[in-house]
Amino acid sequence: DVKVTQSSRYLVKRTGEKVFLECVQDMDHENMFWYRQDPGLGLRLIYFSYDVKMKEKGDIPEGYSVSREKKERFSLILESASTNQTSMYLCASSLAGGSAGELFFGEGSRLTVL
Amino acid sequence: RKEVEQDPGPFNVPEGATVAFNCTYSNSASQSFFWYRQDCRKEPKLLMSVYSSGNEDGRFTAQLNRASQYISLLIRDSKLSDSATYLCVVSEQTGANNLFFGTGTRLTVIP
Repeated sequence: DVKVTQSSRYLVKRTGEKVFLECVQDMDHENMFWYRQDPGLGLRLIYFSYDVKMKEKGDIPEGYSVSREKKERFSLILESASTNQTSMYLCASSLAGGSAGELFFGEGSRLTVL
Repeated sequence: RKEVEQDPGPFNVPEGATVAFNCTYSNSASQSFFWYRQDCRKEPKLLMSVYSSGNEDGRFTAQLNRASQYISLLIRDSKLSDSATYLCVVSEQTGANNLFFGTGTRLTVIP
């Protein structure tokens, strides 16, 4: 089975802190994604990557950056956390091509910014 | 206007009932369609892709209506374990990364 692992299930940070969220997938998927999920808003794409060192902005990239130095790992960085970044963060991966819509998600990282 | 819209529910149905959800999408050029299931406090998981000709997987049937721009999910003989939120996902290009998620329809199956 495909496994997508997120490093932290629950984090509590203070405003202004730098936050790293790590995601690792073990199925050699080309595509990796970071979403946030908020009640009533559904999943919104922050960034995605279709190859090592490649990244594309999603719908809400402001306040976030990403890093993909290795194919299996995709990191989300909040340079200076703010309270409006309190959310559930979901990492996902998929194969390139026709299966790109078949996403495999990690268990999520629930971030609270105080 | 949202790209993908779903009735949030909740749909509360007795065990054994048949229940159907619809999901409308705004872009007529959309190419790929999916239903995901998300249990409470868990990650979304792919339930099924939706093909132009419709498809069935056990008690679940998905259909696409391009003329009216909606997809549907029918669940027959509902089980308690079907209780979850069902997310509609639409892609504007086959194989692309432009996926639009609905906010989900919550289903509770009651004993």
